[in-house]
Amino acid sequence: DVKVTQSSRYLVKRTGEKVFLECVQDMDHENMFWYRQDPGLGLRLIYFSYDVKMKEKGDIPEGYSVSREKKERFSLILESASTNQTSMYLCASSLLGQESQPQHFGDGTRLSIL
Amino acid sequence: AQKITQTQPGMFVQEKEAVTLDCTYDTSDPSYGLFWYKQPSSGEMIFLIYQGSYDQQNATEGRYSLNFQKARKSANLVISASQLGDSAMYFCAMREAYAGNNRKLIWGLGTSLAVNP
Repeated sequence: DVKVTQSSRYLVKRTGEKVFLECVQDMDHENMFWYRQDPGLGLRLIYFSYDVKMKEKGDIPEGYSVSREKKERFSLILESASTNQTSMYLCASSLLGQESQPQHFGDGTRLSIL
Repeated sequence: AQKITQTQPGMFVQEKEAVTLDCTYDTSDPSYGLFWYKQPSSGEMIFLIYQGSYDQQNATEGRYSLNFQKARKSANLVISASQLGDSAMYFCAMREAYAGNNRKLIWGLGTSLAVNP
């Protein structure tokens, strides 16, 4: 089974802090994704990556950056956390070029910015 | 314009009964795929079922099946013999291929299903 592991289930940080959310997958997937999920807004894509050191902006990249130094790890960075970044963050991975293959998700990180 | 529409914000079903969750989509791409996910209150997103636009038959996975009506652009999820553990949010998502980028999914806003004992 595919395993996508997010470093924290719950995280509390302060405004202005630099925050790192880590995601690791163990199935050699090329694609990795970061979403945020807010009530009534569904899942919104922040960034995704289809290869090491490659990244593409999603729908809401402002205030975020990402890093993919190794194939299995995709990090989301909040450069200077703000209260409007309080949310549920979901990481996912998938195989490249396999249309029927689903995205596999981690358990999510509930991030609170105080 | 929304490309994935889930018109039912909330649904109730009696345990052991069947329930249909609606999903309509909009695309001009002849090649696309539709996914359904379940998200319990604990937060993890669980993949349930996939339907490809060229698949001749409706997809089935255990108690889950897809009522795929291509001309109507609908891909409704049918859960048979509902169980209490089916109480969750359910999301419909679509992957298009026309841009040569088959990596991203377009998500609906979800339907909250509550199974009553």
